[in-house]
Amino acid sequence: QLQLQESGPGLVTPSETLSLTCTVSGDSVSDGSSNWGWIRQPPGKGLEWIASVHYRGSTWYNPSLKSRVTISMDTSKNHFSLQLSSVTAADTALYFCTRERDFGDYEAFDLWGLGTRVTVSS
Amino acid sequence: QSVLTQPPSVSGAPGQRVTISCTGTGSNIGTGYDVHWYQQFSGAAPKLLIHGNNIRPAGIPDRFSGSKSGTAATLAITGLQADDEADYYCQSYDNRLSGYVFGSGTTVTVL
Repeated sequence: QLQLQESGPGLVTPSETLSLTCTVSGDSVSDGSSNWGWIRQPPGKGLEWIASVHYRGSTWYNPSLKSRVTISMDTSKNHFSLQLSSVTAADTALYFCTRERDFGDYEAFDLWGLGTRVTVSS
Repeated sequence: QSVLTQPPSVSGAPGQRVTISCTGTGSNIGTGYDVHWYQQFSGAAPKLLIHGNNIRPAGIPDRFSGSKSGTAATLAITGLQADDEADYYCQSYDNRLSGYVFGSGTTVTVL
């Protein structure tokens, strides 16, 4: 069954680096027809795209977060990861990993993990 | 503040038709980028509801439909059911921001 599963610490200290991993099962991150990425949702608020990665190495970042974000992929483990540095309380959110399927003329987020809640607090 | 504007809430009685607007600008919807819609139940992950402006993924009832015109898109739900109570988000690409953008989200309430 196709699944995405986020993992990582639920609590991060301000100014530290948040690290999350998304493990993919039932599909290969190397299949080439999809990008893989991260979207977050602060409590009670809307969705914000963070970053996407393709197995060939291409990456795309939300310009508002680009200076603090790194997305990477490990095809041997069939997972991809997010690092967000210098976190503040504003980074407290539910973080989703997603599959960004290529439909030809566009991409859309057709598969989502359940999400992992991250709180930034000392 | 979201790049794409949606009404905070819409409501309707069971069986009625409701619509949710998603208004963008010339750097996103208006320049031709496709619009996608997601449904999110409370405490759950979003689910792709409509892609490519008006295409339903397998398993999505035909009560849900999408359209796009100019700088705006619309999601319509016909035959409203209690199970449709959720938050709905539109999404597109913005070439000025060089990234994906989401709408502010709309809560659908079934009266």
